[in-house]
Amino acid sequence: SAVISQKPSRDICQRGTSLTIQCQVDSQVTMMFWYRQQPGQSLTLIATANQGSEATYESGFVIDKFPISRPNLTFSTLTVSNMSPEDSSIYLCSVTRTGENTEAFFGQGTRLTVV
Amino acid sequence: GENVEQHPSTLSVQEGDSAVIKCTYSDSASNYFPWYKQELGKGPQLIIDIRSNVGEKKDQRIAVTLNKTAKHFSLHITETQPEDSAVYFCAASPRYSSASKIIFGSGTRLSIRP
Repeated sequence: SAVISQKPSRDICQRGTSLTIQCQVDSQVTMMFWYRQQPGQSLTLIATANQGSEATYESGFVIDKFPISRPNLTFSTLTVSNMSPEDSSIYLCSVTRTGENTEAFFGQGTRLTVV
Repeated sequence: GENVEQHPSTLSVQEGDSAVIKCTYSDSASNYFPWYKQELGKGPQLIIDIRSNVGEKKDQRIAVTLNKTAKHFSLHITETQPEDSAVYFCAASPRYSSASKIIFGSGTRLSIRP
């Protein structure tokens, strides 16, 4: 298994500001994933972060809005830039492990409210 | 890309009865199908999964079935208990590697009536 810690767990931010979310994993992983979960909705993949290279963004998400850092194999950050109320969501960090099965582990999420 | 559809969106069952949640997927290359349970204020947690070379898998009160020809899979919870109340997500993964993306269904909010 993997233990994932996210900080902060929640925040209330003013529109126009930026928030950086941190994700720490208890062991080295190749890929880290960032998801957004809007209120009452499913999880949507924002981007895949590979250590030592640029993150790969999914359709509808851009680096200027959601810059990602991946400085080492156990840590990543996601920044939500120039926030608007529409960015109010839960943001989740995830890693996968391949063994007998490919299991995804999730952090507890960061609940962001933009006012 | 992969698209996963899930229904129903909400489900209410009497304690002790069974609950069934159904999903379909679009990418025939998907070969791994996990199910996640998300409780309030927590991240999703894997409860059971199935690979494409297996038609059915059971773990105590939880079972999952897979029909690759029809591209659908289902979660069955028997003898439901109050602690089963949560949001359940099905998912599909198109590749069997650590770089796999996991595509989630829209979720089912399951409520167990006492």
